[in-house]
Amino acid sequence: DAGVIQSPRHEVTEMGQEVTLRCKPISGHNSLFWYRQTMMRGLELLIYFNNNVPIDDSGMPEDRFSAKMPNASFSTLKIQPSEPRDSAVYFCASNPRLGISTEAFFGQGTRLTVV
Amino acid sequence: GIQVEQSPPDLILQEGANSTLRCNFSDSVNNLQWFHQNPWGQLINLFYIPSGTKQNGRLSATTVATERYSLLYISSSQTTDSGVYFCAVFDFGNEKLTFGTGTRLTIIP
Repeated sequence: DAGVIQSPRHEVTEMGQEVTLRCKPISGHNSLFWYRQTMMRGLELLIYFNNNVPIDDSGMPEDRFSAKMPNASFSTLKIQPSEPRDSAVYFCASNPRLGISTEAFFGQGTRLTVV
Repeated sequence: GIQVEQSPPDLILQEGANSTLRCNFSDSVNNLQWFHQNPWGQLINLFYIPSGTKQNGRLSATTVATERYSLLYISSSQTTDSGVYFCAVFDFGNEKLTFGTGTRLTIIP
């Protein structure tokens, strides 16, 4: 398997524009996580899905952020409208089964810069 | 939620030296992982180690779940070991992976 695949790797956008980040989890993994990494806050969980259903979105910073998982092989994280403080590296991760002792794997991340 | 603390926050060593990184967590966990974030930002899985000891080449890890800590050992450090090392735990209640603040390791040639 190619691992967790994220796109794009880098995104530069102007304030106010819509940004969509994409993730393809490892085939057969039932759980998917979106994390954000910043210098100030480290790695923080935004939202996670189990069997395509959002379980906990309490980490989503505000209504400008939304995430979907229309099927087992694809998820998106959307920011609309984007702001400079959204600049960060966004990681997607998957693991075979939520909660039970299983190992999570991360994609290479999307570095977002909002100017 | 569960608290994860790592120490030391920064570590600078000469090539060839050995090091021990520590991860303390505040509650029972059913999963602990160690990651290496390389200078390009990639999060590389090192160990999945909810308990016991594992070894992989120059790296080894030990988790003592009953005492709520884990240790990562790096022997004969190389410059490619530089980066940030994170531990992350799944706690029973929240079912999410919580990261520590990391240890930044710099290996000097």
